[in-house]
Amino acid sequence: EAQVTQNPRYLITVTGKKLTVTCSQNMNHEYMSWYRQDPGLGLRQIYYSMNVEVTDKGDVPEGYKVSRKEKRNFPLILESPSPNQTSLYFCASSSTGVRQPQHFGDGTRLSIL
Amino acid sequence: GESVGLHLPTLSVQEGDNSIINCAYSNSASDYFIWYKQESGKGPQFIIDIRSNMDKRQGQRVTVLLNKTVKHLSLQIAATQPGDSAVYFCAEVNQAGTALIFGKGTTLSVSS
Repeated sequence: EAQVTQNPRYLITVTGKKLTVTCSQNMNHEYMSWYRQDPGLGLRQIYYSMNVEVTDKGDVPEGYKVSRKEKRNFPLILESPSPNQTSLYFCASSSTGVRQPQHFGDGTRLSIL
Repeated sequence: GESVGLHLPTLSVQEGDNSIINCAYSNSASDYFIWYKQESGKGPQFIIDIRSNMDKRQGQRVTVLLNKTVKHLSLQIAATQPGDSAVYFCAEVNQAGTALIFGKGTTLSVSS
């Protein structure tokens, strides 16, 4: 089954404790991205990757890092999480870019205390 | 700046009715638009897309209309079912062609 898998689905942690949210897709997609979803603000892009070893900032990249060492994986790293990063995070992928339907994971709900 | 908005935050319909969800966009140069459905606890799910060289596109029970003159997008759902209850988002591609700009969503409630 074609899917985008995120882990963990839920996480409660404390300020400053490094965490990684994993994202994996099994569709051989080149394009992957991360969004955060906040009430009243909708979905906003954090980072995106056009292909392996090619990543770039989206609209809200502060406090986040990503890597793309393999085509299927695109982890989101919070090196020193802060409470304002409490949010619902989605990973998405598509074949070659944004002008195609994006396949979204089911989300990761992060709470930073 | 770029923004994609929806006219109504909520829409309530009866089962079997046709639903129309509206969206206004601001970037007249946008060339790709897409509608997503998001159910509680899940990620956005693709419904239908349309490119700027088209005015209308039909899928299974859904139709998207694009009016570039007034920068308006709509999603029509025929014979709405309880399973259609969800939040619906429109989105457009940003000017750089690197991200989707999402509207804030319309919650569709279908009563039987």
